[in-house]
Amino acid sequence: NAGVTQTPKFRILKIGQSMTLQCTQDMNHNYMYWYRQDPGMGLKLIYYSVGAGITDKGEVPNGYNVSRSTTEDFPLRLELAAPSQTSVYFCASSYSDGTSGTIYFGEGSWLTVV
Amino acid sequence: KQEVTQIPAALSVPEGENLVLNCSFTDSAIYNLQWFRQDPGKGLTSLLLIQSSQREQTSGRLNASLDKSSGRSTLYIAASQPGDSATYLCAVNFGNEKLTFGTGTRLTIIP
Repeated sequence: NAGVTQTPKFRILKIGQSMTLQCTQDMNHNYMYWYRQDPGMGLKLIYYSVGAGITDKGEVPNGYNVSRSTTEDFPLRLELAAPSQTSVYFCASSYSDGTSGTIYFGEGSWLTVV
Repeated sequence: KQEVTQIPAALSVPEGENLVLNCSFTDSAIYNLQWFRQDPGKGLTSLLLIQSSQREQTSGRLNASLDKSSGRSTLYIAASQPGDSATYLCAVNFGNEKLTFGTGTRLTIIP
């Protein structure tokens, strides 16, 4: 009953370092998403994917990269971390584009850039 | 610009009372609207999904309504319990493969 799994849950990065947030889902969902949530703000879409090999930018893609080599995995890469990337990151997946299906979220990854 | 607004940002209610959470959106041409619950330090859990052709959805003590013409949705919680304390987020699918989220209402049920 895993659903959407994100790792790591917590991470502290120094300015300029790079890291990858891992996300995997076991529901055979086509659509996967990465959101960030800043205090007092709604979730902002970073990148999304409609299937293996297909990715597209969301609302706030700068400073991030993604890949989707398999249906299950959708890692988010942070290059040259900046303090503005301190946030909580959520991965999500859905069977369709959300027009008819429920979207499932992971438990989040807390990232601090110092 | 397509936006989703939730007011108030925080709400405290005595246990046992019925309550209503509000969500407003700027574009009436929506595909669907979802209500989520978020507990501290956790991800989001979908509570109710309303398609654009529907007026309301019910699940247990929860009832969500949708009025596209006025750009509003409400989440009604009956007989509130301390376990209902959480942040409730509204998200709208404007038909562009993405969800646009409101900033949420933090609900506290006072025992």
